[in-house]
Amino acid sequence: QKEVEQNSGPLSVPEGAIASLNCTYSDRGSQSFFWYRQYSGKSPELIMSIYSNGDKEDGRFTAQLNKASQYVSLLIRDSQPSDSATYLCAVSYGGATNKLIFGTGTLLAVQP
Amino acid sequence: GAGVSQSPRYKVAKRGQDVALRCDPISGHVSLFWYQQALGQGPEFLTYFQNEAQLDKSGLPSDRFFAERPEGSVSTLKIQRTQQEDSAVYLCASSLQGYEKLFFGSGTQLSVL
Repeated sequence: QKEVEQNSGPLSVPEGAIASLNCTYSDRGSQSFFWYRQYSGKSPELIMSIYSNGDKEDGRFTAQLNKASQYVSLLIRDSQPSDSATYLCAVSYGGATNKLIFGTGTLLAVQP
Repeated sequence: GAGVSQSPRYKVAKRGQDVALRCDPISGHVSLFWYQQALGQGPEFLTYFQNEAQLDKSGLPSDRFFAERPEGSVSTLKIQRTQQEDSAVYLCASSLQGYEKLFFGSGTQLSVL
């Protein structure tokens, strides 16, 4: 079982719709959760971080965390074609190490 | 510097050759990470430095992989006797401290023929 799991997609949504991206993780000791965006041929870029159960909003992005269910999600409101990219979920490895484990990513395609 | 700089951008090696990949982190960033990203996959953790100390090398796939950061700034990832399965993009990331807000370089795409 991979430590961080994501549906690889592609997830296709029309422009203006809400895109919902999901991630599950296996380490109950994980405390920090991140969403990175990676455009094709480019390097990952941090877009959201979340540490507590509940929702965290930043502009059109909302991250949601449920530690009991070991589940983290990212909602993108009013999706734009420029949001088309791979979204990587990253989870801190429980314990003293500073290891960040990435999922395989979900490819999002926003159709104009 | 403006960001994390990696060189070379592309590297083609014959199987069995040794390669060295360079990472120049953002000035003042204490933490430095190396990741390996195969096509269509997420980045896989290789190793982590805090200043010059290599605190975690659990992700290095074999003893052919070696990383160093002797002065706590520039880091080099060395792969000896390259194999075809080493073909991937090697990403370097730095941060002020730990895994909070990693800044990634553009990566080195390694192709082993």
